[in-house]
Amino acid sequence: GQQLNQSPQSMFIQEGEDVSMNCTSSSIFNTWLWYKQDPGEGPVLLIALYKAGELTSNGRLTAQFGITRKDSFLNISASIPSDVGIYFCAGQPGSNYKLTFGKGTLLTVNP
Amino acid sequence: SQTIHQWPATLVQPVGSPLSLECTVEGTSNPNLYWYRQAAGRGLQLLFYSVGIGQISSEVPQNLSASRPQDRQFILSSKKLLLSDSGFYLCAWRKGTSGSRNNEQFFGPGTRLTVL
Repeated sequence: GQQLNQSPQSMFIQEGEDVSMNCTSSSIFNTWLWYKQDPGEGPVLLIALYKAGELTSNGRLTAQFGITRKDSFLNISASIPSDVGIYFCAGQPGSNYKLTFGKGTLLTVNP
Repeated sequence: SQTIHQWPATLVQPVGSPLSLECTVEGTSNPNLYWYRQAAGRGLQLLFYSVGIGQISSEVPQNLSASRPQDRQFILSSKKLLLSDSGFYLCAWRKGTSGSRNNEQFFGPGTRLTVL
């Protein structure tokens, strides 16, 4: 089945720095989703991408659907302490009902 | 607006005991429903999904089972828990209608299960 490679696995940054993380796949995806999970809570959807090349922003977050449809990235600008958490990418390869998830990027922001 | 509930929030159970976790969704009809398990290693493992009442698809063979007795209710069960069943269980829903922008899944708050 499809697999998603998400990198980096973890990041330690200073408050105010910009962050970039990405996911790649060996297969084509029709949808890319980015989630954030705070400790002890369920993942929350940040951004949904449905079209190759699509670039979407949500506040300080920006995500793009790669032209090849096999990758996506998420950028966070001017990080703040509340950005701490695990960020997951997820993709849907076709018309089935399931998502494939990356293993997550653990973000730590030092004040 | 739609909301998703899970209970209990936390559960400590002995090995060999039964399990029942419940998930309900409000504000939508005929959703697709999902059960995931998240181990300490962070990855999300899809356990079951359902596209309608009584329709369950199993992704991973194990001692867990799922049922959907009502449109917006999804239950995860076990007759006898194993130590390896410990983890964070997440329920999610998705719009049941087909469409190019209906692939988003929305997660509940989760249930932390510890099997001792």
